[in-house]
Amino acid sequence: GAVVSQHPSRVICKSGTSVKIECRSLDFQATTMFWYRQFPKQSLMLMATSNEGSKATYEQGVEKDKFLINHASLTLSTLTVTSAHPEDSSFYICSARGTLAGSNYGYTFGSGTRLTVV
Amino acid sequence: AQSVTQLGSHVSVSEGALVLLRCNYSSSVPPYLFWYVQYPNQGLQLLLKYTSAATLVKGINGFEAEFKKSETSFHLTKPSAHMSDAAEYFCAVSDRFGYQKVTFGTGTKLQVIP
Repeated sequence: GAVVSQHPSRVICKSGTSVKIECRSLDFQATTMFWYRQFPKQSLMLMATSNEGSKATYEQGVEKDKFLINHASLTLSTLTVTSAHPEDSSFYICSARGTLAGSNYGYTFGSGTRLTVV
Repeated sequence: AQSVTQLGSHVSVSEGALVLLRCNYSSSVPPYLFWYVQYPNQGLQLLLKYTSAATLVKGINGFEAEFKKSETSFHLTKPSAHMSDAAEYFCAVSDRFGYQKVTFGTGTKLQVIP
């Protein structure tokens, strides 16, 4: 089946630094990648959608200059949290949509990244 | 626009009892519907999905859900709860063609009492 590998699973960084989170589709081509954010005891909120080779589309209220998304290949998308602050501490999850051998693999989620900014 | 409403943020059942987690959806186009499970500090795992084939969908770990268009519902059930079922469950909706983003419900935390 379709697998999305997300790294790192946990990261602690100092306020003002940048953090990069990677999502890789291991056995299918991820034509579209979604990035979600989940606050404690809340649902997943979509931050942005990226299509391979195109600029990401950000949801209302999400700062595109703070959350940089790159989807340069069909198997890799990255989310960089720039100049992180404690309020950016959250659980970030990627989801990939793509195809393999002509079949629609739907949506496959990564295992998430717990970001703590101190 | 699409949305899902999960009734009950917390549900408690005894071990061996029926599990029923409710989800109602709203969609202007024929939907894809999903149930995901999330264990603490982990990502989401797909339990099952409805993609316009059979209205009764069987998933992993003994869960199943029935798509009822007349009631705009997609409730998740399991005949007999196990301690390992304790987790948070999210209902989600997307358009049938996968063009739109997946919209999640607010989640239901399932507690299983021994």
